[in-house]
Amino acid sequence: EAGVTQFPSHSVIEKGQTVTLRCDPISGHDNLYWYRRVMGKEIKFLLHFVKESKQDESGMPNNRFLAERTGGTYSTLKVQPAELEDSGVYFCASSHWTGGVETQYFGPGTRLLVL
Amino acid sequence: QKEVEQDPGPLSVPEGAIVSLNCTYSNSAFQYFMWYRQYSRKGPELLMYTYSSGNKEDGRFTAQVDKSSKYISLFIRDSQPSDSATYLCAMRDNNAGNMLTFGGGTRLMVKP
Repeated sequence: EAGVTQFPSHSVIEKGQTVTLRCDPISGHDNLYWYRRVMGKEIKFLLHFVKESKQDESGMPNNRFLAERTGGTYSTLKVQPAELEDSGVYFCASSHWTGGVETQYFGPGTRLLVL
Repeated sequence: QKEVEQDPGPLSVPEGAIVSLNCTYSNSAFQYFMWYRQYSRKGPELLMYTYSSGNKEDGRFTAQVDKSSKYISLFIRDSQPSDSATYLCAMRDNNAGNMLTFGGGTRLMVKP
């Protein structure tokens, strides 16, 4: 079974530019999450999709971040315009429920550096 | 104050040692407690999952939750060099959605 995949693995952009991150969840997983780890800080939740619907976007830092999950399959996270403080590692996770327990499987992350 | 506190380490131990990793938390509503392992340049990988208080064992790994003290632990017996990684605790309050709240991670180095 293929795991969660993320593209690109790294991205270096200048302040003010736009970057789009992609996440392909494990096939059949309805739940998809975005998290972010800023340098020196803990991993923090950004938002949660159930299929194509945003279930919880309470962690999105501001309106420069736009997440989509068209068709309930892969998801994109766009940052426009990027700021220096957006640098960090962006993780995607997908999950399924088994016996009342949810397991979130994480992708390898996209390392974003805004200069 | 962070919701979940975790000593960043690094923690260096000789091969074969028993390792104790810990997290404290402030939100008494957390019900589910997880330990993830993260190798360099990889995503977090779920190791252990515990609901409420108690112990859970899986091979060389034992997870403990003490909700009265808001303290969780992960013990690794007979540690191996391949256990060298960053260990992250994570928690969830089901009444606040499915998001995980993470500690900052403890870097563990097991020396041969």
